[in-house]
Amino acid sequence: EIVLTQSPATLSFSPGERATLSCGASQSVSRNYLAWYQQKPGLAPRLLIYDASSRATGIPDRFSGSGSGTDFTLTISRLEPEDFAVYYCQQYGSSPRTFGQGTKVEIK
Amino acid sequence: EVQLVQSGAEVKKPGESLKISCKGSGYSFTNYWIGWVRQMPGKGLEWMGIIYPDDSDTRYSPSFQGQVTISADKSISTAYLQWSSLKASDTAMYYCARHHDYSTSFDAFDIWGQGTMVTVSS
Repeated sequence: EIVLTQSPATLSFSPGERATLSCGASQSVSRNYLAWYQQKPGLAPRLLIYDASSRATGIPDRFSGSGSGTDFTLTISRLEPEDFAVYYCQQYGSSPRTFGQGTKVEIK
Repeated sequence: EVQLVQSGAEVKKPGESLKISCKGSGYSFTNYWIGWVRQMPGKGLEWMGIIYPDDSDTRYSPSFQGQVTISADKSISTAYLQWSSLKASDTAMYYCARHHDYSTSFDAFDIWGQGTMVTVSS
């Protein structure tokens, strides 16, 4: 099973700042099949990025994904108030598919 | 509009059985894998398993194999998650979600249900 590590658990930013979130895999993620999700309190997760760097439908271009193999990054170029949430990475290249434990992006 | 609508919250006692549902609409239900994701209170997301409604091909995470059953009825565009004997540790929010691309079993989830809260308490 591939273990995904997201650290730190919490990041603090001011609106307008650039945020960089990390996701490390215990083994290489096959075909870079890695996704990023955003979850706000009381709501279902929302797909942001799939295949490591492809933006999902309707996702603003301030969200971008990069990386390959075992190291992946989600970048939010300029934080808007609605971007403060928890972010999860997920690998779906091998079984079982797994999620990281999440990074909370909070307002400084 | 593509959507998944889940059944309502449940409160059960330990040892009871339960089946929750997830109805898809606005797309070809039979051709997209549907999965289930658990979120225990205050915790992260856990991938439980997926099913291909057209032929009911099912894949489970080892953590959930034997603990739950995933099924689907393509005639009514509905997927199910069921337990034969609930435990207090099954208390969680359960989400169904659809794969982003049709027919592939290795994919991200792009459409999510609203979640079903299951509470197991004596």
